[in-house]
Amino acid sequence: DIQLTQSPSFLSASVGDRVTITCRASLGVSSSLVWYQQKPGKAPKLLIYAASTLQSGVPSRFSGSGSGTAFTLTISSLQPEDFATYYCQHLNSYREVTFGGGTTVENK
Amino acid sequence: QVQLVESGGGVAQPGRSLRLSCAASGFIFSSYAMHWVRQAPGKGLEWVAVISYDGSNVYYADSVKGRFTISRDNSKSTLDLQMNSLKPEDTAVYYCARIHHYGSAIYSFDYWGQGTLVTVSS
Repeated sequence: DIQLTQSPSFLSASVGDRVTITCRASLGVSSSLVWYQQKPGKAPKLLIYAASTLQSGVPSRFSGSGSGTAFTLTISSLQPEDFATYYCQHLNSYREVTFGGGTTVENK
Repeated sequence: QVQLVESGGGVAQPGRSLRLSCAASGFIFSSYAMHWVRQAPGKGLEWVAVISYDGSNVYYADSVKGRFTISRDNSKSTLDLQMNSLKPEDTAVYYCARIHHYGSAIYSFDYWGQGTLVTVSS
């Protein structure tokens, strides 16, 4: 089974900062990597799929990159509404699902 | 617009059962595989189960295999999760989610319900 390791687990940042979150896969997953944002008490929200494709309606300050085993989610200029927990996910078929452990971005 | 609304959560004693439901609207339910994902308090996301678009194929996480049963009624656009032999470690918010296939090996969970809390405690 593929494992996804996110780093860091926690990140303290300020509004305006550039934030980068890493997700590493235990085996190559090509571009089958998804990013979600989750705020407390809410369901996860789709941000990016296919490693780098921005979901409709998601601000352009979010971007994703990578392929194979190393992926990054970047927030170019952190906004107040971006303090949240971010998860990566691998989906290789409709039934192969793996989540990363999550990265919480908190206000410094 | 696409909506997924879970119901059925609550408190159950260890060893007892609960049945969760997810009511779908705003899309052709019978065209999509559907998933259950859970999140224990203060923890990350854990995939639970999936059912194919027509209900012919189901798969489970090892942690729930043999205890949980996923099913769907395409005529009613509903997704269910029958949870038997509940354990305290099943305590979590349970989400239903739609999986979207963009082509090739590209998928995402593009819509999620609001979640329903299951608490297993004596």
